[in-house]
Amino acid sequence: DSGVTQTPKHLITATGQRVTLRCSPRSGDLSVYWYQQSLDQGLQFLIQYYNGEERAKGNILERFSAQQFPDLHSELNLSSLELGDSALYFCASSVDGGRETQYFGPGTRLLVL
Amino acid sequence: ILNVEQSPQSLHVQEGDSTNFTCSFPSSNFYALHWYRWETAKSPEALFVMTLNGDEKKKGRISATLNTKEGYSYLYIKGSQPEDSATYLCAFIRITDSWGKLQFGAGTQVVVTP
Repeated sequence: DSGVTQTPKHLITATGQRVTLRCSPRSGDLSVYWYQQSLDQGLQFLIQYYNGEERAKGNILERFSAQQFPDLHSELNLSSLELGDSALYFCASSVDGGRETQYFGPGTRLLVL
Repeated sequence: ILNVEQSPQSLHVQEGDSTNFTCSFPSSNFYALHWYRWETAKSPEALFVMTLNGDEKKKGRISATLNTKEGYSYLYIKGSQPEDSATYLCAFIRITDSWGKLQFGAGTQVVVTP
């Protein structure tokens, strides 16, 4: 158990819908990262927050957005869902910076039908 | 090399044998290299964070070395056990992404047979 929690574990929805994925980082970690694992791709970085502020964006679609709240939990919002958005979404947390270990949550498996 | 590459893609090992595999990354703009172990139906588990040329890290029967000048890292498993079966991922961080963007390789899938 990494100490990072993600809900829900599984999500099945229809095209065009909107969903929210939630992540709670390890106690003491200020950075939260979101990654996407699609069927035919490796883990892809989406976005990072540090202490409530967006720090960096990766290959995140405009239909996707995220935020980190004062209690440091984070939410990833996916809207106008398409079949290709079906993937495993991981949240990771770290104290800060690229030389710190990132601890991964159990992931949310999203299936868009 | 522009991206992170791992080889081989998969390997089968007899229980008790030792094995090793490679992660190649751009040698310029190096900041850090992470190794993860990922078992099926679980989340990636951190093994090592390597930052200095010549770094050697060890955790039980698993160890790793780092050569930043030539852009590669080796992961070694000594005396493989069935519980070592997993996909091993390396992830590179460029100095321009020092805040923590991990660029993952595709992984090496290790299957240890009794």
